[in-house]
Amino acid sequence: GQSLEQPSEVTAVEGAIVQINCTYQTSGFYGLSWYQQHDGGAPTFLSYNGLDGLEETGRFSSFLSRSDSYGYLLLQELQMKDSASYFCAVRGIYNQGGKLIFGQGTELSVKP
Amino acid sequence: DTGVSQNPRHKITKRGQNVTFRCDPISEHNRLYWYRQTLGQGPEFLTYFNYEAQQDKSGLPNDRFSAERPEGSISTLTIQRTEQRDSAMYRCASSSSAYEQYFGPGTRLTVT
Repeated sequence: GQSLEQPSEVTAVEGAIVQINCTYQTSGFYGLSWYQQHDGGAPTFLSYNGLDGLEETGRFSSFLSRSDSYGYLLLQELQMKDSASYFCAVRGIYNQGGKLIFGQGTELSVKP
Repeated sequence: DTGVSQNPRHKITKRGQNVTFRCDPISEHNRLYWYRQTLGQGPEFLTYFNYEAQQDKSGLPNDRFSAERPEGSISTLTIQRTEQRDSAMYRCASSSSAYEQYFGPGTRLTVT
């Protein structure tokens, strides 16, 4: 089976840096994705790690360590609009077609 | 390219009725996914199509749930004999790659 764990809530101030961790258990692993979801909105793709290491996209970075079954999303220069839920999702090698298994999400609150 | 669209956006139905939801994916995307999401949870996989072929339906909860994509573009999800526990947001996603999925706005189902 597959399962993911991430903190349920994180609070940070505008301009700060925040890290959202994700640990996973899976019988076979292809990669780790991150999605952002604002209240009332659809999940939107942020980042994907197929290999170990850091992927950077603007203010957002994502990291993966396969040996530790661990990844994180790093958000820099936080803005109020970053307040949202963030989901990590795994794609297992036995998942034909790229079915994603999502974590329960981390609700990020950015304070002024 | 106007993104993934879904209709209706809201559906209120009485227990025991059948409902059908429609998804229009991004036109060049061959992959189409259906997910279900409840408040405070991540999307839960239901089924996956590659063009018109339903390649994974492992997430469909029971035989009251079915999905089609007969011409490899528009897809429908049908729930027969709805129950209150079926109340949720039903989301469609499409993609050309396995890890970057584009989600639609969802259909919110309320079963009374």
